[in-house]
Amino acid sequence: SQQGEEDPQALSIQEGENATMNCSYKTSINNLQWYRQNSGRGLVHLILIRSNEREKHSGRLRVTLDTSKKSSSLLITASRAADTASYFCATVLYNNNDMRFGAGTRLTVKP
Amino acid sequence: NAGVTQTPKFQVLKTGQSMTLQCAQDMNHNSMYWYRQDPGMGLRLIYYSASEGTTDKGEVPNGYNVSRLNKREFSLRLESAAPSQTSVYFCASSEWGGDAWGYTFGSGTRLTVV
Repeated sequence: SQQGEEDPQALSIQEGENATMNCSYKTSINNLQWYRQNSGRGLVHLILIRSNEREKHSGRLRVTLDTSKKSSSLLITASRAADTASYFCATVLYNNNDMRFGAGTRLTVKP
Repeated sequence: NAGVTQTPKFQVLKTGQSMTLQCAQDMNHNSMYWYRQDPGMGLRLIYYSASEGTTDKGEVPNGYNVSRLNKREFSLRLESAAPSQTSVYFCASSEWGGDAWGYTFGSGTRLTVV
């Protein structure tokens, strides 16, 4: 079964606004990762946060992790039309290295 | 360019036919993976290989077989294709636990079974 669930399923914002996507998961993890997928393309790794980390930044991306709530959020600041894509959270479990994906959030940034 | 290469990019099969999807990576990663992605869903793990010589089942292994030919190559075989296997297939590679750089994905194989 899928480990992560993203919320919302779809998000539409204006260029320049911030976009926040949430991810909840069910079991203990080694790390959680966020990926972007442009239409018809493969997935691109954005950021990885380990279970002992609470917040991580990369450029306009900010990821938080709350292991007590089994949830993570991805914030994209000052969004651009080029950020239009689907965003997936994925969890890597302890004791193995298979990674499980959620169904994704479809982000549309209007120019 | 370094990365994960998948072949073919597109394929149409008739029900019952067999085929092998090829995947190769040139990053010297130990672990390799096969996922499928169906419309409106995230990726589901079919099989993975934590290191050369080992393979393990993922969430949806039925109807598939894999071979870790060497450290670079990891193939996925459909012995008798079914319409339910119509999907986009992605290969990926990483170091154990998806360390610092995460997983690197290929561009996918779009498979249609009629």
